[in-house]
Amino acid sequence: AQKITQTQPGMFVQEKEAVTLDCTYDTSDPSYGLFWYKQPSSGEMIFLIYQGSYDQQNATEGRYSLNFQKARKSANLVISASQLGDSAMYFCAMREGYSGGGADGLTFGKGTHLIIQP
Amino acid sequence: EAEVAQSPRYKITEKSQAVAFWCDPISGHATLYWYRQILGQGPELLVQFQDESVVDDSQLPKDRFSAERLKGVDSTLKIQPAELGDSAMYLCASNWGGTQETQYFGPGTRLLVL
Repeated sequence: AQKITQTQPGMFVQEKEAVTLDCTYDTSDPSYGLFWYKQPSSGEMIFLIYQGSYDQQNATEGRYSLNFQKARKSANLVISASQLGDSAMYFCAMREGYSGGGADGLTFGKGTHLIIQP
Repeated sequence: EAEVAQSPRYKITEKSQAVAFWCDPISGHATLYWYRQILGQGPELLVQFQDESVVDDSQLPKDRFSAERLKGVDSTLKIQPAELGDSAMYLCASNWGGTQETQYFGPGTRLLVL
């Protein structure tokens, strides 16, 4: 079974609209972390936002927010007021187990290709 | 702003040749990761270092891949011999380790094996 599922291979959105990118995850660890990264066509992975499994409030970073629904194992990324520069691949990722305890590499989903139209 | 450095940015090689990639993490970052990203997919972890020690190399194809971080700073990932299926983006990431969560990625090396 996939640990990270992103069900939207591609999305077209009008500039200035809000965007929700879906992510569901699967883990039996009580401690885990969820991340969203942006990958433009140039290839670098840009960190956007992080949510820890014990965090009580949804994470926010500027125009980015993470809609964390723990019981549903869902961690959707919300981009408010989309801009042309938001066009890129977006990846959801998870770190299982306790951080700093050894192996903590990230498991990534397959990504969503977001295209913002003027 | 400190960044993870990688070189080369692009590499074209023929199958059966040897190829090496270099990564210099953000200064002070104890933990270093190598990921491989095949076109159209998300990155997959190959190896994780904590200082100079390997923490996880369970997904590293050890018959042809090797990785080292001799002084616990920069790192080299080598493939010998390269195969057509190794064509991918190779990404390096780092963080402080401990309870710091976020991994910061370099620009990657795009490898094409002909």
